[in-house]
Amino acid sequence: QSVLPQSPSASGTPGQRVTIFCSGSSSNIGRNPVHWYQQLPRTAPKLLIFSNDRRPSGVPDRFSGSKSGSSASLAILGLQSEDEAVYFCAAWDDTLEVLVFGTGTEVTVL
Amino acid sequence: EEQLVESGGGLVKPGGSLRLSCAASGFSFNYYSMHWVRQAPGKGLEWVSAISPTGHHLYYADSVRGRFTISRDNPETSLFLHMIGLRAEDSAVYYCARPGDGSETALDLWGQGTVVTVSS
Repeated sequence: QSVLPQSPSASGTPGQRVTIFCSGSSSNIGRNPVHWYQQLPRTAPKLLIFSNDRRPSGVPDRFSGSKSGSSASLAILGLQSEDEAVYFCAAWDDTLEVLVFGTGTEVTVL
Repeated sequence: EEQLVESGGGLVKPGGSLRLSCAASGFSFNYYSMHWVRQAPGKGLEWVSAISPTGHHLYYADSVRGRFTISRDNPETSLFLHMIGLRAEDSAVYYCARPGDGSETALDLWGQGTVVTVSS
């Protein structure tokens, strides 16, 4: 599996909760930690969540990650306008020996 | 300040070659593995290659294996990507990235990217 499927889009109004899903397999998400990236337009990606559910310093606590089996999810609680971005999951694949990225989910704040 | 600055991108004809560089500063470069990630226009992120801290272990995506070579110069705190046999589908912004201390594969420091365009 050279790419992790994600739903292409998600949306919500300010203050709502939005959840993004990432589907993997036993050789990647099922075996290794999942990381999430936020990419704002015309900027480099930013690490948002690492090792399934840990937030780097400076990332607001309205972002939370979880993993179950070979799938993972990113929740944005209390959606804000500045959260409009594309979100990518990623995990190392032990079989392929590659870092596999998700297809990306574009989040729109209505 | 921790920083990664890529250079070396440009316009190249199909079949041509390029050497990308990534200058690292503000951290102990020889302590970290390093990665290249690319993003074609309007597309998602695609991992390209990684190299261990000593340079002894190299990893490549299937799409570039045999055409791209990753290397590093620890005393010069620089990362490289030598690309040959370039194809139109290699056109992308190429980012170098460094993992954080929490995980070998969570990339927490990124450069601004360098643009590679493969076209006749």
